Parts: sequence; C-alpha cells; structure tokens
Amino acid sequence: SQKIEQNSEALNIQEGKTATLTCNYTNYSPAYLQWYRQDPGRGPVFLLLIRENEKEKRKERLKVTFDTTLKQSLFHITASQPADSATYLCALVSGGSYIPTFGRGTSLIVHP
Amino acid sequence: DADVTQTPRNRITKTGKRIMLECSQTKGHDRMYWYRQDPGLGLRLIYYSFDVKDINKGEISDGYSVSRQAQAKFSLSLESAIPNQTALYFCATGDGGRETQYFGPGTRLLVL
Repeated sequence: SQKIEQNSEALNIQEGKTATLTCNYTNYSPAYLQWYRQDPGRGPVFLLLIRENEKEKRKERLKVTFDTTLKQSLFHITASQPADSATYLCALVSGGSYIPTFGRGTSLIVHP
Repeated sequence: DADVTQTPRNRITKTGKRIMLECSQTKGHDRMYWYRQDPGLGLRLIYYSFDVKDINKGEISDGYSVSRQAQAKFSLSLESAIPNQTALYFCATGDGGRETQYFGPGTRLLVL
C-alpha cells in the first residue's frame, strides 16, 4: 500500500542552525511533492513545490530536494529562527490527479 | 487565510444530530476539498469537487455528505454525528495552475 513517512518525533534545534526534515514514501510515483507549514489550530500554508524531474528548489531560507530513486524529499531551513517553530507537512500528488496525499507531519522546535 | 472561510469555527454537538459545516472562498478556484485532521493521523480527504457538478468521495467519506452550491461554496454534512467524528475539519481550494492548495482556518468539532 502507499505510504508517506515523516518523523513523528519533534526536531529540536538551536536558533541559527539548519533544520532538516525528511519525507519518505513507498509504492508511489508522484508527479510532484509539496511542503506545507502548519501552526497549532490553523490550516496548513503552502511553502514549496518540487516536480519529479527537479532535484532541488529554493525559496529564501528554504530548500527542498527530491530524490525519486531513494523515494525521499528533504526540507531544509537555514539560519533557523524561533518563529520557524511549527509542524511541517509533506504531500505527494500523482500526475493529473490534483489530489495531495499528506504525511502526518514533523514538529520543529527552534530554541533561542 | 481570509480567502477561504469556514463556519462555524467551533461546534459542540450530541450523538445523532445532523450538522453542517460551511466553506466559502473568494479565490475563484474551481477545486474544493474537505479534510479532517486527527492527532497522529494527519490530514485525510473526505470529499472533493473539481467544479459545481463534480463531487467525488475521498479516503474516508462514510458518514459524511457534501453539497457544492456554487463555485465559491462547498458544505460538509454529518447526517448523524458520532463521537469518532470529533476532529478538526479543514476546507481547501486548489489552484490547478500553480498546483497548490489554500486551506481555511478549520472547524473544531466535538461530538458528545
């Protein structure tokens, strides 16, 4: 069966360090992968999208990589700040479906 | 995101009651979705609609129904609420051109 895995344990890091979050998937052939940020009690907010034929995408302090051979995406936040503390969700979309399947998310806590 | 609104924001109801959750959007998107989120289970798709005359079941549609009254409005109904429908419910719209989703603020539902 299709499965998307994100680390269920919270990631704790110090301010200024780079946070790296992982999204692994099995039995899936995504056309593209998305990353969202979710704050407690609020709806997810779209951050970045990367397509199957792209290796890396950047936006300001954010970087996403996509390795379809390893079936893995890495999400990096450089120079992390306490305001980056949130839950980060990855979502996979098969070609033409427009139906994202979400991972359970990983909580990031950035300590001052 | 003020472009996607949900009412009510919080609701307490009793087992067996019929309730409706409403979603409105001003983004002009054709695609609309209903998700529920439970602790530890992530976002799960209940129903989705790609235009006013298109309604599709998602992963967990049993016990729910929807109505797409207009491009801008998509309502979710629980015909006879049960306690395991206690969850956080999100409406989302989809921008096919940019392949992103925009989520509402959520409705917190408690079924006693």
